[in-house]
Amino acid sequence: DAGVIQSPRHEVTEMGQEVTLRCKPISGHDYLFWYRQTMMRGLELLIYFNNNVPIDDSGMPEDRFSAKMPNASFSTLKIQPSEPRDSAVYFCASTQSGYEQYFGPGTRLTVT
Amino acid sequence: AQSVSQHNHHVILSEAASLELGCNYSYGGTVNLFWYVQYPGQHLQLLLKYFSGDPLVKGIKGFEAEFIKSKFSFNLRKPSVQWSDTAEYFCAPDRDDKIIFGKGTRLHILP
Repeated sequence: DAGVIQSPRHEVTEMGQEVTLRCKPISGHDYLFWYRQTMMRGLELLIYFNNNVPIDDSGMPEDRFSAKMPNASFSTLKIQPSEPRDSAVYFCASTQSGYEQYFGPGTRLTVT
Repeated sequence: AQSVSQHNHHVILSEAASLELGCNYSYGGTVNLFWYVQYPGQHLQLLLKYFSGDPLVKGIKGFEAEFIKSKFSFNLRKPSVQWSDTAEYFCAPDRDDKIIFGKGTRLHILP
């Protein structure tokens, strides 16, 4: 298996623009997680899905953030409009229930 | 609220020194426990895990951790660190399929 795939790997955008981050989990995994990592705040869980259904989105910072999982092999995290404070590395991870999480390589987002 | 605490935010050691990173969690009941490592510029990778059985678990690269249920602890240890162990380490208890990551401990090994 290719592991968790994220795209793009790097994104640079201007404040106010819409940003869409993409994730393909490992086949057969029924959980998908989105995290944000910054120097100041560390690793934060934003939202996670089980069988494509959002279970807990309490970590989503504000309404500008939204996430979808239309099917078992694809998820998106959207920021609209983006702000400089959204600059971070965004990780997607997937797992089978009760097992360890497998992380993607991350998307480094820079909002200028 | 469920939480996890890593005692050290930043640790600096010389090569061959022994390492112990503390981790305490506040969950009750059955918990799966993980340690993840993030090397500079890379994503998180599993270092070791505890589900049940022997409370002393061994992971990759000579790391081990001990689960002490009465203390709600899962400390990470390595008897002799190497320069290549420079990384950030995350303790992560998992209950009901939701992992909560600790704030992480940055380990810097001096050559």
